[in-house]
Amino acid sequence: DADVTQTPRNRITKTGKRIMLECSQTKGHDRMYWYRQDPGLGLRLIYYSFDVKDINKGEISDGYSVSRQAQAKFSLSLESAIPNQTALYFCATAPGGDPYEQYFGPGTRLTVT
Amino acid sequence: GDSVTQMEGPVTLSEEAFLTINCTYTATGYPSLFWYVQYPGEGLQLLLKATKADDKGSNKGFEATYRKETTSFHLEKGSVQVSDSAVYFCALTPWDKLIFGTGTRLQVFP
Repeated sequence: DADVTQTPRNRITKTGKRIMLECSQTKGHDRMYWYRQDPGLGLRLIYYSFDVKDINKGEISDGYSVSRQAQAKFSLSLESAIPNQTALYFCATAPGGDPYEQYFGPGTRLTVT
Repeated sequence: GDSVTQMEGPVTLSEEAFLTINCTYTATGYPSLFWYVQYPGEGLQLLLKATKADDKGSNKGFEATYRKETTSFHLEKGSVQVSDSAVYFCALTPWDKLIFGTGTRLQVFP
């Protein structure tokens, strides 16, 4: 089984809808991250969490919110989706002792029409 | 702020050709440097890293040397294979999170 899983893998939604992307990990890592990937822009950090009580904004947090329900679960929500949030979204985890070797999930492809 | 600049792709090579993908960075302090690889349909995975100047990271035949004087971390491989076709991301970490470049797509043909 994969160490970092994301659900759903693909989602098409309409403008204005609320949507939640979920991430679960079995690696026992404290640190979790949400990124979005756009062609020509690489990966940009949305939010990150160092433990259940520690949530931090990344460089592009506007329009997104997160919830760290447990050490193993980190959800990303789009409260009112808009077309320019169409992208590939990745969850990643990292151990506290070596936070730079991040382990990525397979990604969620989100399309907002 | 800190940033990473990579050469634009795609880089198109024949099997067994020599590969170089250029990466330069801007950072205050002394960051660690990384190359991540993304195979089609998958998430990123760490390929190699270097944590201080003059360190050489290596893995799966790929190498990169941390050059502080030229602020570079170029990725090289002596003989590429079709299975190396992927998108390669250079990244740095100034403190507790990664900053990625825009990625370079490599296409290797038989």
